[in-house]
Order: sequence, then structure tokens, then C-alpha cells
Amino acid sequence: QTVVTQEPSFSVSPGGTVTLTCGLSSGSVSTSYYPSWYQQTPGQAPRTLIYSTNTRSSGVPDRFSGSILGNKAALTITGAQADDESDYYCVLYMGSGIAWVFGGGTKLTVL
Amino acid sequence: EVQLVESGGGLVQPGGSLRLSCAASGFTFSSYWMSWVRQAPGKGLEWVANIKQDGSEKYYVDSVKGRFTISRDNAKNSLYLQMNSLRAEDTAVYYCARHYQLLPDFDYWGQGTLVTVSS
Repeated sequence: QTVVTQEPSFSVSPGGTVTLTCGLSSGSVSTSYYPSWYQQTPGQAPRTLIYSTNTRSSGVPDRFSGSILGNKAALTITGAQADDESDYYCVLYMGSGIAWVFGGGTKLTVL
Repeated sequence: EVQLVESGGGLVQPGGSLRLSCAASGFTFSSYWMSWVRQAPGKGLEWVANIKQDGSEKYYVDSVKGRFTISRDNAKNSLYLQMNSLRAEDTAVYYCARHYQLLPDFDYWGQGTLVTVSS
């Protein structure tokens, strides 16, 4: 069974930089998994931040960026702001039939 | 403006059925793959099912195969999820999501509808 791994929680200071990662229980994440990232605040629907590894969704500030770091996908927030305090989910595309597997999410605290 | 509005959620007993709907507007619905994604209370997101533009291909997560059926009506700009033999573990907010054209990623999401399976 494929498991997508994320840090359960992370903390960053206002104005700081944080990198969240998205890995596989076995194997490496590559662009062929089309890693994407979603932001969700309590009671709200997910919001698409990054798709296809490193493309920002419309309206997303450029302080959010996506990449592959080593064997994981990564979401970097540069100049963190208070309203970045949210849950962040990554998802990997496993191909037709198996489709998408989400990570467990990272709860980001800005303090 | 792209809008996805889910409806049909509610309280249902274990073993019961429910049909969710997602009304799409602001885009050419028939041109996009669509998915259902759910989120159990206090838990993470889980992809449930998706359907090709013309309905000719459908895929499901293993836990719902044989119980849930995804469908669409392009003339009504609507996506559906028929859920049968519901279990307590199906309790979740169900989101309708659109995929980018030519890419597998999700772009727009609805606000979700809550399904509670309990006696």
C-alpha cells in the first residue's frame, strides 16, 4: 500500500522561511507523480497552491513555491505571514486506476 | 467565475444510501475530469472517485469499490456520487473537485457536503 508522508506539524516565525516535504513510504517522489499542494483552514474547502510540482495556482502569492528536494516534493513558504497558519496537504498522482494519494497533512503554526 | 456547489449530504443509517450532487457553473463542464474527495472529521483528505469528461472512464479508491458510483450529466452540468451500503467510516465532508485540463491535478474545489453515517 502506497503511503504519502508529511511532517505532522511545523512551526515558523513570522517573516521566516519554512519547507514542508512530501515523500513516499518506499521510493522517491519525482515530477512524474505531479505533486501538488493544498492549503486548508478549519471549516473551509482546500485551496490549490501548487500543481505539477512547481506551478503556482492563479492568485497564489510568489512566496509559495514548489520543488523536488532530494527524493521528496517540497513546499517552501518564504516570508511567512500569520494567515499562512493552516493545514497543508500534498497529493501524488499514481496513474489511472490507482489515481491520487494524499499525505496526512502538515499543521503549520506561525508564531 | 468557476463554482462547484455540493448538495445531498445528511444523516443516514449504516447500510443506507445517499446520492450527492455537485452543480457546476462558470466553465465548460463537459471538458473536464471531475473527482470526489472526502475528509473524515478531524482527518486528512482522501480521494474517492473520478470520472472522465464523457463518463467513459471511472476510477475508485478500493474502500468504496462496489458501493459507490460516480456519474455525470453534462447537459445539466452536474456531477453525482451514489453511495450505497454506507458504513460509519464513510462519515465525512465530501468535496467535488475539478481537474486541470491536460493535467491530473485538482484546481477548483466546492465547499463540501457533510455525510454522517450513524444509527
